[in-house]
Amino acid sequence: KQEVTQIPAALSVPEGENLVLNCSFTDSAIYNLQWFRQDPGKGLTSLLLIQSSQREQTSGRLNASLDKSSGRSTLYIAASQPGDSATYLCAVSGYSTLTFGKGTMLLVSP
Amino acid sequence: EPEVTQTPSHQVTQMGQEVILRCVPISNHLYFYWYRQILGQKVEFLVSFYNNEISEKSEIFDDQFSVERPDGSNFTLKIRSTKLEDSAMYFCASATGEGGTYEQYFGPGTRLTVT
Repeated sequence: KQEVTQIPAALSVPEGENLVLNCSFTDSAIYNLQWFRQDPGKGLTSLLLIQSSQREQTSGRLNASLDKSSGRSTLYIAASQPGDSATYLCAVSGYSTLTFGKGTMLLVSP
Repeated sequence: EPEVTQTPSHQVTQMGQEVILRCVPISNHLYFYWYRQILGQKVEFLVSFYNNEISEKSEIFDDQFSVERPDGSNFTLKIRSTKLEDSAMYFCASATGEGGTYEQYFGPGTRLTVT
């Protein structure tokens, strides 16, 4: 059974810092990996999707990498802003299902 | 930009009652999903749906649950006899399947409270 772990569980940084969120998964036979953002009481916003054949994806200040063989992904956020404060979820895909981690709660202070 | 929509945003029901949660997926998407998130816990997969049938379901999705695509736009989740432990945020998601990526787009959720 696939298990997804995210470290750290919470992170507090001052504005402007570059930061890295970590995700690990137990079964490397994944179809793809998605990073989501969740604001309190809200839905999930897809940030990046990395297909299993890819090593990384970039969108603006976000860069996600995938090392399928070691079961790891990282989300790099450059020049963090207070508006980045949210919970970041990592999810790995079998064919039609997503298995989620518990998330990293990020607080960026002005 | 097209979005997945869900109604209602909040539903309160008594234990044992039936509830129907409604979703309108993005119009050109072919794959549909329901997930739930109990307060403070992980988002959990319930069911996936393609070509008018269930393609995969989790252990949570027992006989109390059913899904339907009654017309070309709506996708519903029915819970026949709600239990206290069904209280959660329920998310609908959809994907095109185009290019084999299956990137899932989520709706804002329906908060179900069972009293």
